[in-house]
Amino acid sequence: TQLLEQSPQFLSIQEGENLTVYCNSSSVFSSLQWYRQEPGEGPVLLVTVVTGGEVKKLKRLTFQFGDARKDSSLHITAAQPGDTGLYLCAGANGSQGNLIFGKGTKLSVKP
Amino acid sequence: GAVVSQHPSRVICKSGTSVKIECRSLDFQATTMFWYRQFPKQSLMLMATSNEGSKATYEQGVEKDKFLINHASLTLSTLTVTSAHPEDSSFYICSASRVNNEQFFGPGTRLTVL
Repeated sequence: TQLLEQSPQFLSIQEGENLTVYCNSSSVFSSLQWYRQEPGEGPVLLVTVVTGGEVKKLKRLTFQFGDARKDSSLHITAAQPGDTGLYLCAGANGSQGNLIFGKGTKLSVKP
Repeated sequence: GAVVSQHPSRVICKSGTSVKIECRSLDFQATTMFWYRQFPKQSLMLMATSNEGSKATYEQGVEKDKFLINHASLTLSTLTVTSAHPEDSSFYICSASRVNNEQFFGPGTRLTVL
């Protein structure tokens, strides 16, 4: 069974601080996706990483895929209250395109 | 692009009734659609995977006779919760995949069974 360990589970920080969320697995994924979900809504795709070692930037968010395609990180610089939400990583196993989801990181950024 | 809609967004029903939830990909044809269930403060739990014109593949522990999935076209999948009970109350989310295994999620349906 493929598992994706996501940490930390909860994160409460002040506006302007930096943070990093990690997703780790013993399995190799064909791609990995990061989503952000607000309460009562569906997850919104932020980025997909496919190549080992790949780094993608989305404004203040930096996503990295590990060289072996087993782990990934999301780094947010100068967090803002609008970044508050549940961040989910999800790895694709390449068969039917099923995603293995991490348990999520609930981020709260206080003004 | 890649917009997925879900209807209804909220539904309240009596125990024993059936509820149908629709999932539509609005601006693309989805090769595969997925149905998830999410409990409060938890991550998404995959219930089933469906491809247009074929039977859905259910995850272990998900009753196929209780959660009926119909994938009639490349843009529409439906989930019917039959004989709903209070323990079926949850947030149900569908997604549709396009390329590179990217899944685009609907806004979810909050089901409350009284």
